[in-house]
Amino acid sequence: QSVLTQPPSVSAAAGQKVTISCSGSGSNIGNNYVSWFQQLPGTAPKLLIYENNKRPSGIPDRFSGSKSGTSATLGIAGLQTGDEADYYCGAWDNSLSAHVFGTGTEVTVL
Amino acid sequence: QLQLQESGPGLVKPSETLSLTCAVSGASISSSSGYYWGWIRQPPGKGLEWVGSISHSGSTYYYPSLKSRVTISVDTSQNQFSLEVKYVTAADTAVYYCARHDPWDYWSQGTLVTVSS
Repeated sequence: QSVLTQPPSVSAAAGQKVTISCSGSGSNIGNNYVSWFQQLPGTAPKLLIYENNKRPSGIPDRFSGSKSGTSATLGIAGLQTGDEADYYCGAWDNSLSAHVFGTGTEVTVL
Repeated sequence: QLQLQESGPGLVKPSETLSLTCAVSGASISSSSGYYWGWIRQPPGKGLEWVGSISHSGSTYYYPSLKSRVTISVDTSQNQFSLEVKYVTAADTAVYYCARHDPWDYWSQGTLVTVSS
C-alpha cells in the first residue's frame, strides 16, 4: 500500500542531526500536505509534524519538517536515545483518493 | 484530553467478519465538524495502512483495494465509530488503530486482531 518511499534506516551519534526523506509524486506530496509520525516500539504512532512543517503542542523544536516538489524531509536535531523509533511520513493521494503512508524509517542512535 | 479506545475480538476466523468499535471520550464526535475519524492498521512487522474514515455526519471513504469488504459507521449517541471487514483472510491480521484527523493528532493504543482458524 505504501506509495511514499523512505530509507529503511538512518543512524547517527547522540547529539547529532539526522534527516529522513520521503519521496512521492505529484498526486500526493506534490500537491498535498505532508505529516510525520514517530512510533516508539510497541506503541501507537504519534504526530510530530503536520501541514509540512507545523509542530503540534508539546513537540520540541528539535523536530522539523520541510517539503520541496514531490519530496519531504524530517529533521531530528540533538539526537537522543529516546528518539530511537520508526518514523513514517503520510499524505493524501489524489489519484488513489486515499491517505497513504511512507515505508517507514528506523532511527538508531549510535 | 481526547482519548480513543478500541474494542473487539482479538481472534477472527477466516472468511468471517472482523468488527471493532472505537469509543471517543473528551470530545463529542457530533460537534467535531472539521474532523474525520479513521481506522489504520499495521500488519506485524510492517508499516501503516489507512483503511478508511468517516465524518461526524456519516460521510465515508475507504482505501480502494479494501472498499468492497469494509464498512465504517458512526453512532453519535454513543460517541463511537465502528469498523467491519468482511471475508477476512490471514492478510487482515494486524494491529488496528483508530484516530482523529486532520491532522492525525489523536490515536488509540491499538488492538491486535489475528485471523486464524
